[in-house]
Amino acid sequence: SAVISQKPSRDICQRGTSLTIQCQVDSQVTMMFWYRQQPGQSLTLIATANQGSEATYESGFVIDKFPISRPNLTFSTLTVSNMSPEDSSIYLCSGREGEETQYFGPGTRLLVL
Amino acid sequence: TQLLEQSPQFLSIQEGENLTVYCNSSSVFSSLQWYRQEPGEGPVLLVTVVTGGEVKKLKRLTFQFGDARKDSSLHITAAQPGDTGLYLCAGASTSYGKLTFGQGTILTVHP
Repeated sequence: SAVISQKPSRDICQRGTSLTIQCQVDSQVTMMFWYRQQPGQSLTLIATANQGSEATYESGFVIDKFPISRPNLTFSTLTVSNMSPEDSSIYLCSGREGEETQYFGPGTRLLVL
Repeated sequence: TQLLEQSPQFLSIQEGENLTVYCNSSSVFSSLQWYRQEPGEGPVLLVTVVTGGEVKKLKRLTFQFGDARKDSSLHITAAQPGDTGLYLCAGASTSYGKLTFGQGTILTVHP
């Protein structure tokens, strides 16, 4: 099974600033995703990170706010831009191995003051 | 838009009791996955079911995929405090498709 790591694990940021979250997978995965989650609640898909091309965003999420890169099959970044307190959340990276099996990183806990 | 209804939302039981969590949809899924998440951690994959009627067992956990591949259940026998956590079901409508997540079930097992 793929092992996924994220950096940073948590951060406290001031409003108006930006934070870039890194995601590293220990093996090549077919697809990578970024999710957002409030504690104790379900996951909301932000976007699918596409290797070498622009990410595919879900309704309600835009590239200007959440720029994503995926330069190769094992690495991706998500930037939360011009942050506001409403962006406080857990951000999760995920990788799909094969057709169905999907694994998650430990998450990045973001608090925006 | 596919929906996956997960129930119950909260479950508080005593150690040794049995429980079942349900995920239901009007849509067909090519596969369904169950995850368990503890506070401060990411979701950990428990099982993937892909065949209608499939039953998989993982120690005290039994997972079932409905014959029509529209629903699934997770049954825990003799629950232990270590089973406490957020349980999530997630279905993919097609191979390589995006996952649709249920609302989650917060399970608390009291010693």
